Amino acid sequence: EPEVTQTPSHQVTQMGQEVILRCVPISNHLYFYWYRQILGQKVEFLVSFYNNEISEKSEIFDDQFSVERPDGSNFTLKIRSTKLEDSAMYFCASRSGTVGSPLHFGNGTRLTVT
Amino acid sequence: TQLLEQSPQFLSIQEGENLTVYCNSSSVFSSLQWYRQEPGEGPVLLVTVVTGGEVKKLKRLTFQFGDARKDSSLHITAAQPGDTGLYLCAGEKNTGFQKLVFGTGTRLLVSP
Repeated sequence: EPEVTQTPSHQVTQMGQEVILRCVPISNHLYFYWYRQILGQKVEFLVSFYNNEISEKSEIFDDQFSVERPDGSNFTLKIRSTKLEDSAMYFCASRSGTVGSPLHFGNGTRLTVT
Repeated sequence: TQLLEQSPQFLSIQEGENLTVYCNSSSVFSSLQWYRQEPGEGPVLLVTVVTGGEVKKLKRLTFQFGDARKDSSLHITAAQPGDTGLYLCAGEKNTGFQKLVFGTGTRLLVSP
């Protein structure tokens, strides 16, 4: 069964550094999302992406965050200048264009900012 | 803000017991999904409910969507250790592929 893949599985970075989290969504899916989950807390929406543009973003998704779909297969999340509070699991998800379709999640990237 | 409150937050039971997890909101959702998350993995869909009052069964799991489409419940019959995990409800406001808003989660531990 097709799956969403994320790399790396774990990223350690120093505060102030830029990180890029990578995702390969399921190939025929049209809608793409990034969520994050701080340890022990709820899954929080960051951004949704459709037709090569952001369709919705949350308050968390400030100017330090950006997303790209550079080549039609990869979907990336960039954090320009990481802060300690950015430490979390970051999940990429995709869904097809069918109404009521579920989100298919990757296994996440654990980002640790020191 | 579309808040989805789940209760209980944590549940520790013995194998064979029954349990119910609740997902409540003051907002109306066009659909509600239940996911299960294992440590180190992303959430995996269990079921989607769309119609108010709808009941869906998945083996020992029974899901119900409230008549007003503001709340949902998950009932597990004769729980097994393999049911251990984090259960998440997630609501979608419209069918325009908007974001899913996740609930606060219920962590279930089933002991042999």
